[in-house]
Amino acid sequence: DTGVSQDPRHKITKRGQNVTFRCDPISEHNRLYWYRQTLGQGPEFLTYFQNEAQLEKSRLLSDRFSAERPKGSFSTLEIQRTEQGDSAMYLCASSLLSAEEDTDTQYFGPGTRLTVL
Amino acid sequence: AQTVTQSQPEMSVQEAETVTLSCTYDTSESNYYLFWYKQPPSRQMILVIRQEAYKQQNATENRFSVNFQKAAKSFSLKISDSQLGDTAMYFCAFHGGSEKLVFGKGMKLTVNP
Repeated sequence: DTGVSQDPRHKITKRGQNVTFRCDPISEHNRLYWYRQTLGQGPEFLTYFQNEAQLEKSRLLSDRFSAERPKGSFSTLEIQRTEQGDSAMYLCASSLLSAEEDTDTQYFGPGTRLTVL
Repeated sequence: AQTVTQSQPEMSVQEAETVTLSCTYDTSESNYYLFWYKQPPSRQMILVIRQEAYKQQNATENRFSVNFQKAAKSFSLKISDSQLGDTAMYFCAFHGGSEKLVFGKGMKLTVNP
């Protein structure tokens, strides 16, 4: 078990550019979540997938944001036309919802820190 | 909508002391789960402990234990025998009918030698 991994760990971009982040969940986990964390705040939910289906999206996820999880494995989060307000830590988490448990525990990756200049 | 409140932004303790971190939440749901996560400086979020609301027994995990008061909607974390490695941001989180976690703003704990 190698844990949740995210790439890149840091990204600096200029306003108006597009950026894409990748998350690789724990291998047997069927759920994958994206959160955004700004300085001094707790993480805020953006979206989640069960296998390849995107089941819930937050109002925080404007139309400049898109997330995919092809084949139910890794996921990508793309931000188009970045704005300075997009500067934050983007966290990915994964979990396994099984028949034996009525809820799942989320395990987090190290995050991608985005700075928009 | 659920809310999670951590009213203490920062605390410091001496090594080996016991410290209690407070958390309150608001929900109309009866079945839910509560979590404490720690986020060490420049490191990733780590699960500390989990509590199921339907269980009356408070969860414990080595030096970490919770005091879960369902009627009061209170969920505090006690850290016994504090260690330098406990220095981190601590987040209380709620997981109810929606699959997302709702986090508090966090509390910065510093353990001093």
